[in-house]
Amino acid sequence: NAGVTQTPKFQVLKTGQSMTLQCAQDMNHNSMYWYRQDPGMGLRLIYYSASEGTTDKGEVPNGYNVSRLNKREFSLRLESAAPSQTSVYFCASSERRLNQPQHFGDGTRLSIL
Amino acid sequence: AQSVTQPDIHITVSEGASLELRCNYSYGATPYLFWYVQSPGQGLQLLLKYFSGDTLVQGIKGFEAEFKRSQSSFNLRKPSVHWSDAAEYFCAVGAESGGYQKVTFGTGTKLQVIP
Repeated sequence: NAGVTQTPKFQVLKTGQSMTLQCAQDMNHNSMYWYRQDPGMGLRLIYYSASEGTTDKGEVPNGYNVSRLNKREFSLRLESAAPSQTSVYFCASSERRLNQPQHFGDGTRLSIL
Repeated sequence: AQSVTQPDIHITVSEGASLELRCNYSYGATPYLFWYVQSPGQGLQLLLKYFSGDTLVQGIKGFEAEFKRSQSSFNLRKPSVHWSDAAEYFCAVGAESGGYQKVTFGTGTKLQVIP
């Protein structure tokens, strides 16, 4: 039962470097999400994709871009990493119906020096 | 705008004792409510959800939660805590927003279980 798979699990970057976080789900869900988790702040939505072919900004989109490659895959890109982007990043997916929960990956722990 | 408050940052209970984690939400209509658990180094796992019907909902691992509209609360309970329940617990409220399921998470309650 793979569910939501995120790669890599850990990454250390230098300020100004770029990287892409990958996410894939095998539950045939229409909607996918990227969150960041910081101590004492819960989860904050960065970007979401309500369905294949659409993406929209969430609560904290600055410094990030996303691509919904197909129904399964949703990637998050940091073009020029900053120390403030040090965080744990979670990808999630769900059916579009409102009463359905989101399913989460195990996260990517990203440190930016 | 919807919001969730988890007033307890840390809670310590003895193994075998009962547990109640508090959650208060703010939302204009009937909300969709969730409780998630996060073990160290893991993602969030759904414990239970409420969106209509019986206000007492049962979840996995022996957890239950009660929706009280008059108090805008959705507290999580367990009659007897096990050491493996030590984790961080997140309450969340979901609602439709511009065509997608907007979920707002609380800041979490970290549970410590002592033998």
